Amino acid sequence: GQQLNQSPQSMFIQEGEDVSMNCTSSSIFNTWLWYKQDPGEGPVLLIALYKAGELTSNGRLTAQFGITRKDSFLNISASIPSDVGIYFCAGQGDYGGATNKLIFGTGTLLAVQP
Amino acid sequence: NAGVTQTPKFQVLKTGQSMTLQCAQDMNHNSMYWYRQDPGMGLRLIYYSASEGTTDKGEVPNGYNVSRLNKREFSLRLESAAPSQTSVYFCASSEATGYLQYFGAGTRLSVL
Repeated sequence: GQQLNQSPQSMFIQEGEDVSMNCTSSSIFNTWLWYKQDPGEGPVLLIALYKAGELTSNGRLTAQFGITRKDSFLNISASIPSDVGIYFCAGQGDYGGATNKLIFGTGTLLAVQP
Repeated sequence: NAGVTQTPKFQVLKTGQSMTLQCAQDMNHNSMYWYRQDPGMGLRLIYYSASEGTTDKGEVPNGYNVSRLNKREFSLRLESAAPSQTSVYFCASSEATGYLQYFGAGTRLSVL
């Protein structure tokens, strides 16, 4: 099945550093989503993007919907220990027949050292 | 303010045993989903229900069955569990297909 390429796989950073991660696809999407999963919990929606080129912020998080509709980026500024978790991108839309289903990336594990 | 509730949170089965994972949402959503999460694989869709009374296969449906009991509840059944079904299972719901999905806390299943 289709999966999105998400990078990096893992990041180990110091508190206060900025973080960038991205997600790419061979297919176009109409919506890009970014979720965070805390240990032992389910994914929680952080940001939703609906238009190519769109840049959206949620506190210290900023995400962009790529112009080609095949990629998206998530930045976290001034990281804090509670940012620890796994970040997933997800694409939704017309990618070859099965519309409206979410396709998830493989996740980026973020560890923040105080 | 429960959102999506999954039971049980943890389960250990022997190969060949059966069990049903339960999911209920209190957001009056029409669509519900079952995913499995394996290391390095992200989340993969098992089955979904676009609306009450309908169910459809996702990416990895083999070995599973589902029932949309009513608008609130969507269960996932393993008839004869196999070690390959060891995973974390997530239920999600959305207002309709194509809308934002909200996830439960997951069921951690081990099949020995």
